[in-house]
Amino acid sequence: QVQLQGSGPGLVKPSETLSLTCSVSGGSFSSYYWNWIRQSPGKGLEWIGYVYYSGVTNSNPSLKSRVTISVDTSQNQFSLKLRSVTAADTAVYYCARGELDCSGHPCSRSYFDLWGRGTLVTVSS
Amino acid sequence: SYELTQPPSVSVSPGQTARITCSGDTLPRQFAHWYQQKPGQAPVVVIYKDTKRPSGVPERFSGSTSGRTVTLTISGVQAEDEADYYCHSTDNTDSLGVFGGGTKLTVL
Repeated sequence: QVQLQGSGPGLVKPSETLSLTCSVSGGSFSSYYWNWIRQSPGKGLEWIGYVYYSGVTNSNPSLKSRVTISVDTSQNQFSLKLRSVTAADTAVYYCARGELDCSGHPCSRSYFDLWGRGTLVTVSS
Repeated sequence: SYELTQPPSVSVSPGQTARITCSGDTLPRQFAHWYQQKPGQAPVVVIYKDTKRPSGVPERFSGSTSGRTVTLTISGVQAEDEADYYCHSTDNTDSLGVFGGGTKLTVL
């Protein structure tokens, strides 16, 4: 049974850096792409960014200047750092596994087939 | 920035058919996927690549596409289908993920 387990502080002070890690257990780490998605209280889903096993990443232009997403293949983990946080960054942060659609060439990114339970991060002094 | 547009809410009575739409300029060229999210839970995919249903998802869930609009159809809606539904696709460069704003399905 593949599981995604997010971890990190639930409270971050304004202007500091939010750091979360997602641990992947029970399955292949190299055959997918790995994502961070957040949801502010009472709001919709916002895609933050992805990382591949190779370390290739991309992120939402609205957050790009503050976001770093990285991967630790030795630990089957990937991480999110969001710098200079404000109250607007208060949200549930989800890690999610992305399927790769290899019906064409090259493979393209497809849907999120497995999600972690989510980590509530509150930005407050 | 690229956007996907969904109606904020849809209401149906039990046993009726619910249709939730998602519109975007690149949907004729990019696949869309649908997620169901119940309160306090992580989203779960119910339709992927426009029309495909994952194993374990009830047959009453189906997807279709026409031009720049994709539609999630729930036939014979049940009370347990009450949830928020989100469409998901990629932008015109196929680089960035994007979600629709979400549709709250209310079963009357």
